[in-house]
Amino acid sequence: DADVTQTPRNRITKTGKRIMLECSQTKGHDRMYWYRQDPGLGLRLIYYSFDVKDINKGEISDGYSVSRQAQAKFSLSLESAIPNQTALYFCATSDSSSSTDRYYGYTFGSGTRLTVV
Amino acid sequence: AQSVTQPDIHITVSEGASLELRCNYSYGATPYLFWYVQSPGQGLQLLLKYFSGDTLVQGIKGFEAEFKRSQSSFNLRKPSVHWSDAAEYFCAVGARQAGTALIFGKGTTLSVSS
Repeated sequence: DADVTQTPRNRITKTGKRIMLECSQTKGHDRMYWYRQDPGLGLRLIYYSFDVKDINKGEISDGYSVSRQAQAKFSLSLESAIPNQTALYFCATSDSSSSTDRYYGYTFGSGTRLTVV
Repeated sequence: AQSVTQPDIHITVSEGASLELRCNYSYGATPYLFWYVQSPGQGLQLLLKYFSGDTLVQGIKGFEAEFKRSQSSFNLRKPSVHWSDAAEYFCAVGARQAGTALIFGKGTTLSVSS
């Protein structure tokens, strides 16, 4: 099994629908992140969480919400999907131990390709 | 606020030729610096990172990068490109304090011609 699992891998949804993207990890990492990738725009940070009780907005959090249900699970929700949220979404994890190598040593999931029609 | 600029959107290199991908950062202090690669349809893989010390860092797959503080740059190089290096490459920066997340550049797509 992959260290960081994203479900679903692909999803097509209609405008206005609520959709949840899920991320689970077996790395034992305490930090988790959601990024979206758009052609020509790179990866942009949506939300990040440093532990179960800590949620932080990234640069493009509008229209999104997150839930950290457990240390290993971090879900991203689109409350009312719109076409410009069509993108490739990545979940990543890292470890906040004192070792710099680990807290910036991201492990990425394989991505969820979301299409809003 | 910290930011990353990758000036080249798309680069084409002949197989066997050398490669340099540019990355410039803007940050008040020296950040941590990274290069990631994304092959078509895949997630991101870490190529190399710079935290401190020797400004020339070696990574996987024969890549290296040089940190130049005076130019706020962290350019990625490879002496001889292979067709399998065709991918998208991302430079990223992280603040030295632990309470932040990585910021990525917009990426450079590398094509390799035969």
